[in-house]
Amino acid sequence: AQTVTQSQPEMSVQEAETVTLSCTYDTSESDYYLFWYKQPPSRQMILVIRQEAYKQQNATENRFSVNFQKAAKSFSLKISDSQLGDAAMYFCAYSGYSTLTFGKGTMLLVSP
Amino acid sequence: EAGVAQSPRYKIIEKRQSVAFWCNPISGHATLYWYQQILGQGPKLLIQFQNNGVVDDSQLPKDRFSAERLKGVDSTLKIQPAKLEDSAVYLCASSLLTSGGQNIQYFGAGTRLSVL
Repeated sequence: AQTVTQSQPEMSVQEAETVTLSCTYDTSESDYYLFWYKQPPSRQMILVIRQEAYKQQNATENRFSVNFQKAAKSFSLKISDSQLGDAAMYFCAYSGYSTLTFGKGTMLLVSP
Repeated sequence: EAGVAQSPRYKIIEKRQSVAFWCNPISGHATLYWYQQILGQGPKLLIQFQNNGVVDDSQLPKDRFSAERLKGVDSTLKIQPAKLEDSAVYLCASSLLTSGGQNIQYFGAGTRLSVL
């Protein structure tokens, strides 16, 4: 079975600074996708960024980028120029041939 | 485009009572998911429907949980009788496709259940 591990329960960053959230996963599948989802307090979960495992190029969406290391099974999220609205729980998730498997999440705190 | 709608947003019940949650997916999405998110954890899949058929219910506690998706659109998730450990946020999600990583799931705001 696939597992997703987020080792940072909480991270803090100041506005305009850069922060990196870590994620590792375990799988025996060769073709899969990785996701980062954002869940603001009491609001719905939204997709931040997605990476296809067969693509070597790291995905980027505006201020959000990933560092995908397939051999190390590592998938970190970098948030540049952090904003107050980035404060949320961030979940790393894996999808192979079946459904999404989520990590336990990292709470991101953003201070002015 | 309207998102995934869920109701109620909050529910408080006593143990051994029954409760039902409702979900309306994004129009045209064939696949619907129910997740349980216990405080401090990531969402865990309970059941997946494609249209009105069940694709995966391997993690659904079938002795107390049931779900249906009549006519392949709306869905209800029921718990009867509820236990204290059922306190969680119940998330509904929908997607166009059935499986695979290209299958982006869109989530509702969830129903927060407290069992006293």
